[in-house]
Amino acid sequence: NAGVTQTPKFQVLKTGQSMTLQCAQDMNHEYMSWYRQDPGMGLRLIHYSVGAGITDQGEVPNGYNVSRSTTEDFPLRLLSAAPSQTSVYFCASSPGTGRNQPQHFGDGTRLSIL
Amino acid sequence: KQEVTQIPAALSVPEGENLVLNCSFTDSAIYNLQWFRQDPGKGLTSLLLIQSSQREQTSGRLNASLDKSSGRSTLYIAASQPGDSATYLCAVVPASGTYKYIFGTGTRLKVLA
Repeated sequence: NAGVTQTPKFQVLKTGQSMTLQCAQDMNHEYMSWYRQDPGMGLRLIHYSVGAGITDQGEVPNGYNVSRSTTEDFPLRLLSAAPSQTSVYFCASSPGTGRNQPQHFGDGTRLSIL
Repeated sequence: KQEVTQIPAALSVPEGENLVLNCSFTDSAIYNLQWFRQDPGKGLTSLLLIQSSQREQTSGRLNASLDKSSGRSTLYIAASQPGDSATYLCAVVPASGTYKYIFGTGTRLKVLA
């Protein structure tokens, strides 16, 4: 009963390093998304995907790349980490287009950029 | 631009009290509204989803109402328990444009035993 799995749970990076945050879901959901959560600002959408091979930008996409080669996986790549990207990152998925379906969230990745 | 506000930011109540959490949004053209619960160090768990054509949804001790014309939703928790302590967030999906959730900043609830 895995649901949405995010790895790693914690990560510390130096400015300029790159890394990939992994997200996998085993519910055959078509819609997947990435959010960042910062104190006092709520969750903000970074990128989302409505199916394999289809991705689009959310509210705060700069500095992040995504791809969706399979239904199950939706990795988020930080190209050149900056201190402003210190945050908690959440991946979520929903059935179909997700419009009237509740989203299922992973437990998050806590990322610190020094 | 749609904005979602939750007031108060934090709330402490004694066990057994009935309580209401508030969510306001600036644009009434929404597709649906969801209430979520977030426990410390965890992701979000969906509690209730209200479609734009609905006025309320109920699940156990939780009842969520939606008044689109006034841009408001409330989450009513009956007979609160210490296990209800968490942060509660609301989110709306705008009726037009691409599918995306816009979240409020949440209300941190503490129920005292």
